Amino acid sequence: EAGVTQSPRYAVLQEGQAVSFWCDPISGHDTLYWYQQPRDQGPQLLVYFRDEAVIDNSQLPSDRFSAVRPKGTNSTLKIQSAKQGDTATYLCASSFLGGAEQFFGPGTRLTVL
Amino acid sequence: GDSVTQTEGQVALSEEDFLTIHCNYSASGYPALFWYVQYPGEGPQFLFRASRDKEKGSSRGFEATYDKGTTSFHLRKASVQESDSAVYYCALGYGNMGYKLTFGTGTSLLVDP
Repeated sequence: EAGVTQSPRYAVLQEGQAVSFWCDPISGHDTLYWYQQPRDQGPQLLVYFRDEAVIDNSQLPSDRFSAVRPKGTNSTLKIQSAKQGDTATYLCASSFLGGAEQFFGPGTRLTVL
Repeated sequence: GDSVTQTEGQVALSEEDFLTIHCNYSASGYPALFWYVQYPGEGPQFLFRASRDKEKGSSRGFEATYDKGTTSFHLRKASVQESDSAVYYCALGYGNMGYKLTFGTGTSLLVDP
């Protein structure tokens, strides 16, 4: 069974540029999470979906970050006008029926210069 | 808000040593508690969880017991191997159409052969 896949694996931007991250969860998993993991820190939840509905986006910086999951399968996280403080690894995870075990992808390592 | 504290940033052991990684939490409610492990270049992997006081979680020789009285969930293993070298994260979460996890800062374990 394929795991959670993410692309790209790496991204390097100048401040002010936009970037999108793409996530394909495990087939059949209805719950999808996006986390931000700064270097040498634990993951911090940004947003999560159940099917196509946003369940919690209270930690998503709404002025520059957006996330969608239009068909309840794949998801895209977008950063408009990136800042140096956005430098981190962005992790996607999925689970079945909102279960406790979350399966993580390998992440996208973002560097903003 | 809720938080998780891991007091050891790094732990260095030899093979067959006993491992303890301390985890304490502060929560307004009654969360489930988790341990995840992260290897270099990968996303975190679920180890196990416990949902109520005195419940023990275990996997791959690791174990931890939910202690509501001391607000702790310490990770232990009787005999570590070189392959256990990784970063270990304690987390708490509440179920709501999924689990909104709050992670600690992580403990890096290095096991010498």
